[in-house]
Amino acid sequence: AQSVTQLGSHVSVSEGALVLLRCNYSSSVPPYLFWYVQYPNQGLQLLLKYTSAATLVKGINGFEAEFKKSETSFHLTKPSAHMSDAAEYFCAVSDRHNNDMRFGAGTRLTVKP
Amino acid sequence: DAGVIQSPRHEVTEMGQEVTLRCKPISGHDYLFWYRQTMMRGLELLIYFNNNVPIDDSGMPEDRFSAKMPNASFSTLKIQPSEPRDSAVYFCASRPGLAGPYEQYFGPGTRLTVT
Repeated sequence: AQSVTQLGSHVSVSEGALVLLRCNYSSSVPPYLFWYVQYPNQGLQLLLKYTSAATLVKGINGFEAEFKKSETSFHLTKPSAHMSDAAEYFCAVSDRHNNDMRFGAGTRLTVKP
Repeated sequence: DAGVIQSPRHEVTEMGQEVTLRCKPISGHDYLFWYRQTMMRGLELLIYFNNNVPIDDSGMPEDRFSAKMPNASFSTLKIQPSEPRDSAVYFCASRPGLAGPYEQYFGPGTRLTVT
């Protein structure tokens, strides 16, 4: 079964600094990969997804992620953090042959002024 | 589209009482998922339905939990009797039934507090 591991339950960056949130996946077949964001007291919303069309995926709010098969990684980045990026971020993997989506444990991003 | 709708948004109840959480998926979505989120366990999949039929309920913690989907536009998650350890945020999500990289669309959640 597929799974994802998010390295670092908490990440803190200064406003304007690079954001890097790490996600490694495990899957026996080429996966679909997703990043979701959860703002306080809200549900999860999709940031971006990888569907094999391109290895570098651009999402909303200036985020992007790169699929690296050799490293089984799908790290999320943003060049310059904004205070409004403070939230919890979840990586998720889905098997192409079924509808089972597995979420990582989440990474809480704090942005310092 | 209004998105996934959940009610109530907040529920406070006493231990032993029955609790019913409600969800209206996005119209046309064939899959519906129920999740529970806690600080300790993170996001857990409880059960999911395809075309109103429960497919996998292996995540339901115990017999006190039950879920139904009587039609394509409505689902309930019931806890009877409720216990303090059931306190969590419960999310409903839906997605299209077509094969492919379709994401799940989440509702705003129901924050349940059992005292």
